[in-house]
Amino acid sequence: NAGVMQNPRHLVRRRGQEARLRCSPMKGHSHVYWYRQLPEEGLKFMVYLQKENIIDESGMPKERFSAEFPKEGPSILRIQQVVRGDSAAYFCASSLQYRGRNQPQHFGDGTRLSIL
Amino acid sequence: SQQGEEDPQALSIQEGENATMNCSYKTSINNLQWYRQNSGRGLVHLILIRSNEREKHSGRLRVTLDTSKKSSSLLITASRAADTASYFCATANTGANSKLTFGKGITLSVRP
Repeated sequence: NAGVMQNPRHLVRRRGQEARLRCSPMKGHSHVYWYRQLPEEGLKFMVYLQKENIIDESGMPKERFSAEFPKEGPSILRIQQVVRGDSAAYFCASSLQYRGRNQPQHFGDGTRLSIL
Repeated sequence: SQQGEEDPQALSIQEGENATMNCSYKTSINNLQWYRQNSGRGLVHLILIRSNEREKHSGRLRVTLDTSKKSSSLLITASRAADTASYFCATANTGANSKLTFGKGITLSVRP
């Protein structure tokens, strides 16, 4: 019973390139969340998706960042034209079908993005 | 201070001792969750306490919630070296979705 799977674990990009981060939720989970963690900081919410729908993207920068969760396949967090400030650990979490909002979120091991 | 702010920021104890970590928050919440993070890894869910609950136990963990003071505590009893990690509290507010708001975390070191 695999947990949340993220890949790659480490990603190195040069300034101006694109970064694609993938997340496969736990089996049976239809809710996906993306968070960003800077060194020595807690996690900051970025976006919340259900299958084929973005529910809340209030934490996502307006430019260069996008996320999707297609009907088939993993959720993708895409960062275009990366800059040094994008260097961080990006975590994906998934949870079961919403029921009174009392479902724990289960996290992957994250993707550590480094921008040269 | 920010939503889900923990204290102390760092805690060092001897194996076998109890560790108490506190968390304060600002807004109304639906639930509060505690997570553990080992270095270089993702977060592991420890325990969830609903806003209408006051105390919850899970193994060596005891969590309390005081909604009047907007605070929570996590107690780890009989600590082990393997408990060394960062601990985060996270709140799910009463808004439209269940996104979590995290504090900066507490670094717990348990000396063998």
